[in-house]
Amino acid sequence: GENVEQHPSTLSVQEGDSAVIKCTYSDSASNYFPWYKQELGKRPQLIIDIRSNVGEKKDQRIAVTLNKTAKHFSLHITETQPEDSAVYFCAASGRDTGRRALTFGSGTRLQVQP
Amino acid sequence: DAGVIQSPRHEVTEMGQEVTLRCKPISGHDYLFWYRQTMMRGLELLIYFNNNVPIDDSGMPEDRFSAKMPNASFSTLKIQPSEPRDSAVYFCASTHGETQYFGPGTRLTVL
Repeated sequence: GENVEQHPSTLSVQEGDSAVIKCTYSDSASNYFPWYKQELGKRPQLIIDIRSNVGEKKDQRIAVTLNKTAKHFSLHITETQPEDSAVYFCAASGRDTGRRALTFGSGTRLQVQP
Repeated sequence: DAGVIQSPRHEVTEMGQEVTLRCKPISGHDYLFWYRQTMMRGLELLIYFNNNVPIDDSGMPEDRFSAKMPNASFSTLKIQPSEPRDSAVYFCASTHGETQYFGPGTRLTVL
């Protein structure tokens, strides 16, 4: 089955700096890669996603890149703000293979210091 | 739309008791997923349904866990008998395409 590894497990940055979180996946058939943000005691919420036919996607301060050959994808947050502090999860699924369920990475706790 | 609804939000029970968690997916969504979140194991899939039919239950820990989806607007996850190691947050999610929308979760504590 699919295995998703995520690094780092914790990340502390100063407000205004950039943050990068990286994930690798094992199943070359995976073709959908969402990123979720989870605040303490809350549900995971989708912040951005990318499909395997796209190399990069951007939404304001958030961007995701995908390298299918290397089987890794990354989340980039620019101009970080204290409200970006949360746990971020990457995930992968393979709609075309019938694997609709998400396989999640282990999460990255991001702390933005004001 | 109210989003995915889960009940109860919190459940505290004693070891050996039966626990039933409930989920109402977003109207029109044909996929429903049950995930479990713990510090040790992170977010892991338990089971998912498509059009009320279980598709993959390989994540269900053991026979003590069972899930049903009697209709398009309701699903249950049952644990019988419950054990302390079942303590976790249980999330239900639904989708019509690829984006999965999560419910608020049920925090289960088994004493």
